Amino acid sequence: AQSVSQHNHHVILSEAASLELGCNYSYGGTVNLFWYVQYPGQHLQLLLKYFSGDPLVKGIKGFEAEFIKSKFSFNLRKPSVQWSDTAEYFCAVNQYGGSQGNLIFGKGTKLSVKP
Amino acid sequence: NAGVTQTPKFQVLKTGQSMTLQCAQDMNHNSMYWYRQDPGMGLRLIYYSASEGTTDKGEVPNGYNVSRLNKREFSLRLESAAPSQTSVYFCASSAQAYNEQFFGPGTRLTVL
Repeated sequence: AQSVSQHNHHVILSEAASLELGCNYSYGGTVNLFWYVQYPGQHLQLLLKYFSGDPLVKGIKGFEAEFIKSKFSFNLRKPSVQWSDTAEYFCAVNQYGGSQGNLIFGKGTKLSVKP
Repeated sequence: NAGVTQTPKFQVLKTGQSMTLQCAQDMNHNSMYWYRQDPGMGLRLIYYSASEGTTDKGEVPNGYNVSRLNKREFSLRLESAAPSQTSVYFCASSAQAYNEQFFGPGTRLTVL
């Protein structure tokens, strides 16, 4: 079965530190890739997405992600985190040819940013 | 434009009781989804509806049923609630399959 792996369960950073969250997926065909963020007590919001084209995609709030097809990876980055970035981050993939475009989610990475 | 709305926000049930979670979207989306979120498990798909008039099972459909009432509304029913169904339930919609999904605020369900 296709799967999405997020390597870090919980990341703790100080403000202004750089962030990189890992995401790998197992499907070898054409994929659409997403990062969602869930702030405490809130619903999921889309941070950024990759469908095709430039593998370096920029999202909201200074986040970016790079799609590396050969590594089946879509890592999320931010040069300088803020306390307000404290949230849980989910990588998600849907694969063409899969069941009607269903999203497969990773288990999430909790980010805690210390002021 | 409210996006995706869900009712209720919170619910406590006793084992064996039934209930229906309601979801509606006002974005004219074709596809709608129900997920459950459990700590350390991410989101898991329960059922989805690729278009009005169709529904299909996702990863964890046991104990649930769904109805795509019309293009806007997609309900999730628990016929006989069990403690294992204690979770946060999210509804989502997308314009088409493979597009990004927009999520509702969630329903926090506790089954005693």
